[in-house]
Amino acid sequence: GAVVSQHPSRVICKSGTSVKIECRSLDFQATTMFWYRQFPKKSLMLMATSNEGSKATYEQGVEKDKFLINHASLTLSTLTVTSAHPEDSSFYICSAPGTGTGNTIYFGEGSWLTVV
Amino acid sequence: RKEVEQDPGPFNVPEGATVAFNCTYSNSASQSFFWYRQDCRKEPKLLMSVYSSGNEDGRFTAQLNRASQYISLLIRDSKLSDSATYLCVVFPGGSYIPTFGRGTSLIVHP
Repeated sequence: GAVVSQHPSRVICKSGTSVKIECRSLDFQATTMFWYRQFPKKSLMLMATSNEGSKATYEQGVEKDKFLINHASLTLSTLTVTSAHPEDSSFYICSAPGTGTGNTIYFGEGSWLTVV
Repeated sequence: RKEVEQDPGPFNVPEGATVAFNCTYSNSASQSFFWYRQDCRKEPKLLMSVYSSGNEDGRFTAQLNRASQYISLLIRDSKLSDSATYLCVVFPGGSYIPTFGRGTSLIVHP
């Protein structure tokens, strides 16, 4: 079946540095990918919709300059957390809609970011 | 009112028990509904789709009540391995962007 791969699964970085998280669709093309953030015991919060070949659509309250999204190909979207701060520590997860019918969603494995 | 609401729980049940969760949605034009399971510190995984006619898969039964705008998940003969957070996912009508509930935590104990 379709697989979405996310990397890295865990990353620790220092405050002020930038971190890039990759999301790849392995056996299908994804013109759209979604980036979520999840705090412990909370729901997935949609940050932005990544569109291949065009600018991402950010949800209200999400800083575009802080969370840079690039969707340069039909199989790769990246999220870069710039000038990271400890409050950016969270679980980030990407997903892509399946190409079949039924609104199937495929999730990446998620990335745990810890900013120290 | 939130678009998709779930009781966060936790629901604490013994092995073998039957447990049910509900999820209400506010958009009456919503078309597609799913239950996902999320284990601690892992990504959500599809448990089952929810059809208008209901859907059963082994010990799991999902139902949709359009009139009252809720979906339900029933788990029979609970196993320890059923312990997880169950997320309700709704696609608002005309949108390809899913809306997630905050999840219901289930703890099955011996």
